[in-house]
Amino acid sequence: ELKVEQNPLFLSMQEGKNYTIYCNYSTTSDRLYWYRQDPGKSLESLFVLLSNGAVKQEGRLMASLDTKARLSTLHITAAVHDLSATYFCAVDISQAGTALIFGKGTTLSVSS
Amino acid sequence: GAGVSQTPSNKVTEKGKYVELRCDPISGHTALYWYRQSLGQGPEFLIYFQGTGAADDSGLPNDRFFAVRPEGSVSTLKIQRTERGDSAVYLCASSLRPLTGELFFGEGSRLTVL
Repeated sequence: ELKVEQNPLFLSMQEGKNYTIYCNYSTTSDRLYWYRQDPGKSLESLFVLLSNGAVKQEGRLMASLDTKARLSTLHITAAVHDLSATYFCAVDISQAGTALIFGKGTTLSVSS
Repeated sequence: GAGVSQTPSNKVTEKGKYVELRCDPISGHTALYWYRQSLGQGPEFLIYFQGTGAADDSGLPNDRFFAVRPEGSVSTLKIQRTERGDSAVYLCASSLRPLTGELFFGEGSRLTVL
């Protein structure tokens, strides 16, 4: 059974600090996605990583994928309050973008 | 509409009743997905449609769950003989290009089974 494990599950940060969220998965896949979810809202796509070594950046967030290590990271640089949300990684087991297995999510709280 | 629309946003029902949840995807998106999200968990894949047909229904938990998409646009998720364990937020998503894996999610239908 495929496992997608995120850590930490909860993260409290101060504004201006850096941190990394880790996503490990247990089966071969070279397709991984990051989503953001605000409380009571739906999921918003952040990054689509489709090959080993893929790196994507948007603002203060940067995501990378190492398919050999079965690991993706989401790095936060100089956190701001607006980044407070739950972040999910999801692994594509279909290799066709049709069946994503999500981690439990990392709930990030950024305070001043 | 501009985004994925789901109705109802909230549904409270009694154990044993039948429930229908509706999803209206983004116009032109041929791929449609249903996921289920329990409190404190990530979304759990249920079923994927490409056009009118269910291309992958491997995530449906049992035969009480069924989904249709008769005209390749709107989809309905049907749950028979609801159980308390079915309580969750049911998320619908659509995609223009499934191979990119970028899904656009609706805000979900929160189902509570008493």
